[in-house]
Amino acid sequence: DTAVSQTPKYLVTQMGNDKSIKCEQNLGHDTMYWYKQDSKKFLKIMFSYNNKELIINETVPNRFSPKSPDKAHLNLHINSLELGDSAVYFCASSPSRDRGLFFGQGTRLTVV
Amino acid sequence: AQSVTQLDSQVPVFEEAPVELRCNYSSSVSVYLFWYVQYPNQGLQLLLKYLSGSTLVESINGFEAEFNKSQTSFHLRKPSVHISDTAEYFCAVSGLAAGNKLTFGGGTRVLVKP
Repeated sequence: DTAVSQTPKYLVTQMGNDKSIKCEQNLGHDTMYWYKQDSKKFLKIMFSYNNKELIINETVPNRFSPKSPDKAHLNLHINSLELGDSAVYFCASSPSRDRGLFFGQGTRLTVV
Repeated sequence: AQSVTQLDSQVPVFEEAPVELRCNYSSSVSVYLFWYVQYPNQGLQLLLKYLSGSTLVESINGFEAEFNKSQTSFHLRKPSVHISDTAEYFCAVSGLAAGNKLTFGGGTRVLVKP
């Protein structure tokens, strides 16, 4: 009965590869997010979708492409992975701004 | 634009001692304020939040935070910490308007020593 679930939890891959991270929430929230947490624990928003529509698109390389097939899913596809993409990627969902965000467990991506 | 500054990157504290984590924010509009906790190798969990009304808000596990509008601060306190409070704590701010995103501070690592 996990609220926000991400797969995989760990991902080790070589430079230049393409990979995807999947996220699903069973909370019925309309808004979903992708955040990147770097090695110094700094959290930066990447994307936000509201009911399958992109509403926040921060300055992120266009190698990163989010896809929301329905409001319960928000996947992140990364092309041509680089060493600097190594980080923990968090998916989150929210019913409204005053309720805050509900986070998944994170996906630790290591590019070698 | 909005920003959040957590003044301490790391706070070591002995078990049963009090702790205060400082958070200051900058915003041109009214805001919601949040504290999140991240235990090792886990996602972030909401600890407490300020939306409006009483400036002192409390969590179920003994933390409290006070909103100070004049000082644009939202400091987090606990009068007596436990070993299990060892974690990373993040302050965050969101504007009230539609489309406003949640902006996080850099985090404060609390290390509780026996």
